[in-house]
Amino acid sequence: DAGITQSPRHKVTETGTPVTLRCHQTENHRYMYWYRQDPGHGLRLIHYSYGVKDTDKGEVSDGYSVSRSKTEDFLLTLESATSSQTSVYFCAISEGQEGYTFGSGTRLTVV
Amino acid sequence: QKEVEQDPGPLSVPEGAIVSLNCTYSNSAFQYFMWYRQYSRKGPELLMYTYSSGNKEDGRFTAQVDKSSKYISLFIRDSQPSDSATYLCATVKTSYDKVIFGPGTSLSVIP
Repeated sequence: DAGITQSPRHKVTETGTPVTLRCHQTENHRYMYWYRQDPGHGLRLIHYSYGVKDTDKGEVSDGYSVSRSKTEDFLLTLESATSSQTSVYFCAISEGQEGYTFGSGTRLTVV
Repeated sequence: QKEVEQDPGPLSVPEGAIVSLNCTYSNSAFQYFMWYRQYSRKGPELLMYTYSSGNKEDGRFTAQVDKSSKYISLFIRDSQPSDSATYLCATVKTSYDKVIFGPGTSLSVIP
């Protein structure tokens, strides 16, 4: 996806370990978002950022933290991964006027 | 009641058919309406973006918003197998608010 990349694309991790997912954008957009997508639940907002060091919680933020030290990078950390956090994680960017641009996603499996 | 409701399908149509995808929403404050298309194992991509009531056409796609009934529609004319994807409707109060997504409708266009 042009201007936004997520890494890693796939990850398998063990229960109880910390995991960090990275979202990198080259569009200089102010707003960045982390979603998880699960069957039957659709896209659910985890955390979002409206500027460097400015972040806020979404509807499913428990067990997750974020950081944004630079405009281009938004990190999502699972502090102690659980099986319920097995999901596909999407990052999105926005400048407000034309909707969101999504990354290609990170498929995370917690075993 | 969820803020945005959408029949999950799956919906299966023959190639060339006219497809109608629909959503309802609960909050009359929503002003901007979007349709995203998501191919399997990809991130959602913005398909249509409209403001307030009325129609917007882009090629084979027409987005329709009826604010009086809180109803959003996407019509696909001359559907193609390449249209097979999940379609998510979305809405937001202002262009800088967080977007609310429907759960998505899975569409298959059969050759």
